[in-house]
Amino acid sequence: DVHLVESGGGLVHPGGSLRLSCAASGFTFSNYWMSWVRQAPGQGLQWVGSVKPDGSATNYLDSVKGRLIISRDNAKNSLDLQINNLRGEDTAVYYCATAADSSFENWGQGTSVTVAS
Amino acid sequence: QTVVTQEPSLSVSPGGTVTLTCGLSSGSVSTRNYPSWYQQTPGQAPRTLIQRTSSRSSGVPDRFSGSILDNKAALTITGAQADDDSDYYCLLDVGGGIAIFGGGTKLTVL
Repeated sequence: DVHLVESGGGLVHPGGSLRLSCAASGFTFSNYWMSWVRQAPGQGLQWVGSVKPDGSATNYLDSVKGRLIISRDNAKNSLDLQINNLRGEDTAVYYCATAADSSFENWGQGTSVTVAS
Repeated sequence: QTVVTQEPSLSVSPGGTVTLTCGLSSGSVSTRNYPSWYQQTPGQAPRTLIQRTSSRSSGVPDRFSGSILDNKAALTITGAQADDDSDYYCLLDVGGGIAIFGGGTKLTVL
């Protein structure tokens, strides 16, 4: 079975940085696009970015370009999301998901990020 | 700025049929937008229901079906059950590697 486990969330001060990780198992990680999706408290889902199977290309939501960086390590079956210069609007649960045909197939349970002073 | 539109809320009686729609502010939705649908209950991760307009994900009951209807993506639930009471989100590929979720539909089964 596909298993995705996010980690690295927590309480961070505005302007700080955070690195989220997603550990993948149960499938051939290196064959899949991977994505991060976030959900602010009481709000809907928001795709933030995706990374190609070999890690050579990424796509990002315009509003997060330059602050959020997605990377992967196929040897470790791991996906990362670096968030810099954290703002209140980054407060959300962050999910990693496998991506195929412009949609998401499998989801992790999410990790919560709170930006507050 | 492209916006994906969904009904904020809908209701259906148990056993009834309901259709949720997903539109684009910039024009019509087609299969080239690869519409997909997700179900989410409070405190839980989303669950994938439909991919590529009409392909049901593994384990999804056949009472859920996807289509294109009047230039919008549509999710139809036939024979609604109590545990279909959830939030539903559509996702559209708008080109350039960008995907946008709709604002979600809160479906009440009563």
